[in-house]
Amino acid sequence: AQSVTQLDSQVPVFEEAPVELRCNYSSSVSVYLFWYVQYPNQGLQLLLKYLSGSTLVKGINGFEAEFNKSQTSFHLRKPSVHISDTAEYFCAVVSSGTYKYIFGTGTRLKVLA
Amino acid sequence: DAGVIQSPRHEVTEMGQEVTLRCKPISGHNSLFWYRQTMMRGLELLIYFNNNVPIDDSGMPEDRFSAKMPNASFSTLKIQPSEPRDSAVYFCASSFIEEQFFGPGTRLTVL
Repeated sequence: AQSVTQLDSQVPVFEEAPVELRCNYSSSVSVYLFWYVQYPNQGLQLLLKYLSGSTLVKGINGFEAEFNKSQTSFHLRKPSVHISDTAEYFCAVVSSGTYKYIFGTGTRLKVLA
Repeated sequence: DAGVIQSPRHEVTEMGQEVTLRCKPISGHNSLFWYRQTMMRGLELLIYFNNNVPIDDSGMPEDRFSAKMPNASFSTLKIQPSEPRDSAVYFCASSFIEEQFFGPGTRLTVL
């Protein structure tokens, strides 16, 4: 069975500092990996996705993530955060060829002035 | 495209009443998902459809919940009778291949 673990429930960081949000997954088959962002009172919006190919994936708003198969991780990074990045971030995994997404519990990023 | 459309955006009802949530997926998408989000339990998949057919409803909490997809452009999630513990934000999402597109959600409050 698949599972997704987001190790940090909350991450406070000062504006213009770098940030890393951690995500680990478990699966016995090949997977697709996603990061979604949820701003207050809104639905989830795709930040980036890994399907195949280059393990470094770039997304919107300056975010990027690296797929590490040996460590079964897909950590999200941004070199310099803005106040507007304050939101909840969800990591998700889906086995290739299926439709069932497994979402992590979310990490609340709070950017401080 | 207008994206995934959900209605109503907010619903306040009394315990025991029937509640119907509606979703219009993005045109051309063949998969549709219903999720529930609460502070305590996070984001839970309730049910998903592929080509209008329910594929997995193992996340539906109990018989009070039912979902239908009569055609490719419309789905409903019904709760009858509703209970206070059903209070949550319910999201609908649709996809064609890998990426899911989420609607804005319906915030349900059951008094």
